[in-house]
Amino acid sequence: NAGVTQTPKFQVLKTGQSMTLQCAQDMNHNSMYWYRQDPGMGLRLIYYSASEGTTDKGEVPNGYNVSRLNKREFSLRLESAAPSQTSVYFCASSDTRKGTGELFFGEGSRLTVL
Amino acid sequence: GDSVTQMEGPVTLSEEAFLTINCTYTATGYPSLFWYVQYPGEGLQLLLKATKADDKGSNKGFEATYRKETTSFHLEKGSVQVSDSAVYFCALTPSGNTPLVFGKGTRLSVIA
Repeated sequence: NAGVTQTPKFQVLKTGQSMTLQCAQDMNHNSMYWYRQDPGMGLRLIYYSASEGTTDKGEVPNGYNVSRLNKREFSLRLESAAPSQTSVYFCASSDTRKGTGELFFGEGSRLTVL
Repeated sequence: GDSVTQMEGPVTLSEEAFLTINCTYTATGYPSLFWYVQYPGEGLQLLLKATKADDKGSNKGFEATYRKETTSFHLEKGSVQVSDSAVYFCALTPSGNTPLVFGKGTRLSVIA
């Protein structure tokens, strides 16, 4: 059972380049999330998708776009990468119909912007 | 808005020592509370949770009690092991449909 799978695991970009982080879950969860993790800042929510076809901004959405491609997949795009976007990105999913609030996380994608 | 404050690390303990990591929260209503753990090089995984006042969550020897009167959810373990070395995150959700809000994390190092 793969759970939440993120790709790529590592990426180095130059300022101004674009890239997309991919995320897929196989648990039939309705909600998916993108967080970033920075030293001393904990996890901050970038965007989330409560259900297929909907997306909402989180705490730090500037510089990012997302696409909920289908129920399984939720991608995060950086159109013009900046050094401030150097971070570890985590995708997560949950079944909010159960009402427990529990998130299931991927292993993370480490992005460095030079 | 809703927020979580947890003690700053890093915390360094000897094996078999007692662990407490403090967590307090600010939220309207009755949030659900969580502790997540992140082992080196991995994603976060749920350690324990509590969904109402006075509930005690427990797992792998760790415990935390939901204290409404002090708005706290402190993590405790009676005897830590080297394998407990990780980053611990306290989190809350006002409802099961709202994204989790995380604290900044506390790094624990246990030395033999």
